[in-house]
Amino acid sequence: SQQGEEDPQALSIQEGENATMNCSYKTSINNLQWYRQNSGRGLVHLILIRSNEREKHSGRLRVTLDTSKKSSSLLITASRAADTASYFCATESTGGFKTIFGAGTRLFVKA
Amino acid sequence: DGGITQSPKYLFRKEGQNVTLSCEQNLNHDAMYWYRQDPGQGLRLIYYSQIVNDFQKGDIAEGYSVSREKKESFPLTVTSAQKNPTAFYLCASRGQGVTGELFFGEGSRLTVL
Repeated sequence: SQQGEEDPQALSIQEGENATMNCSYKTSINNLQWYRQNSGRGLVHLILIRSNEREKHSGRLRVTLDTSKKSSSLLITASRAADTASYFCATESTGGFKTIFGAGTRLFVKA
Repeated sequence: DGGITQSPKYLFRKEGQNVTLSCEQNLNHDAMYWYRQDPGQGLRLIYYSQIVNDFQKGDIAEGYSVSREKKESFPLTVTSAQKNPTAFYLCASRGQGVTGELFFGEGSRLTVL
């Protein structure tokens, strides 16, 4: 089962623009994480937000979490061509140990 | 450098053959995971292990088997019972505690001919 559903499935923007990706999930969570994957490579962890947090920043990344709506968003500001990748949200259920991924958003940043 | 090593990177197999994918980590992590990724899709959990000599089925365990005899190693066998094994397989580990980020290997791409 896939816990998270990302929206949009694909996003194409110009360099310098902001990119926003959304994630919805179904069950209670300990935390929500965002990962990045370059084509044909492994995933790289970007940021983790705990269930009692509402917003978190890391460099050009801003993540929000609304547990009442079971949703999260990832904002990448001032995007660069090097940001072109797939981005996945992942949730840890309150039972722990299992991390479940969504289908991802494919971001293409045009130079 | 610490990390997760998956091998082989590419693997071809004939139908009806079992194949084992290797995953080794030197991060001293307790928990290890195997995920499957199909083109344009997210990751689906196959098996996970919290400690040595213990593992649990994930969401799509049928046709796969694992072992966890050493903390550093979590090999995945794709058996002939797996009806559609062509996919990208990703191994991951997590550090101490039950929550936190996953560290991924670079993946193994299996193609069944």
